[in-house]
Amino acid sequence: AQSVTQPDIHITVSEGASLELRCNYSYGATPYLFWYVQSPGQGLQLLLKYFSGDTLVQGIKGFEAEFKRSQSSFNLRKPSVHWSDAAEYFCAVLPDSWGKLQFGAGTQVVVTP
Amino acid sequence: DSGVTQTPKHLITATGQRVTLRCSPRSGDLSVYWYQQSLDQGLQFLIQYYNGEERAKGNILERFSAQQFPDLHSELNLSSLELGDSALYFCASSGNSGNTIYFGEGSWLTVV
Repeated sequence: AQSVTQPDIHITVSEGASLELRCNYSYGATPYLFWYVQSPGQGLQLLLKYFSGDTLVQGIKGFEAEFKRSQSSFNLRKPSVHWSDAAEYFCAVLPDSWGKLQFGAGTQVVVTP
Repeated sequence: DSGVTQTPKHLITATGQRVTLRCSPRSGDLSVYWYQQSLDQGLQFLIQYYNGEERAKGNILERFSAQQFPDLHSELNLSSLELGDSALYFCASSGNSGNTIYFGEGSWLTVV
């Protein structure tokens, strides 16, 4: 079955430390891949996306993600976390241009001083 | 600001009532999507419209309906509301390629 998995429900990281959020997908072909962020009480903001080409993609707010076909993964990273990065992060998959965007369960990130 | 506008931002209503959520897509976007976010179900796709026509249907209850108007704005109608319908309802839109979807800030619905 097609699925998107975010193995970590909750991550706590110290301000200034690096952050990596995991995402794995299970689809027949490589889908379009996205990361969205939802700050408390806010909507979903698109951080970055991968369609094809360079497997390391840069996004907004200093985030990047790496696509690894062999591992069916699309992990999100940030070298140095700021307190404002505390939010819930969703990996999402679009099977094709006109499919349904399917979301993972989300990873809640808490940033400590 | 994604450019997708949703109203109202918050809504409290009683069980059995009917509400309408409104969405204006980004300028030029022909596709509109509706998603429901709840604690137990996560983010669930409800329905998609493209240029006024229903394009795809997800886990949308029969008590819910949507439409997209000629000016491309969309409305999600929720009727015979139950406590379990309390959720954050997102509208999203995309352009002709359909492969990048931008979300609004959502409409918080509380059914009491």
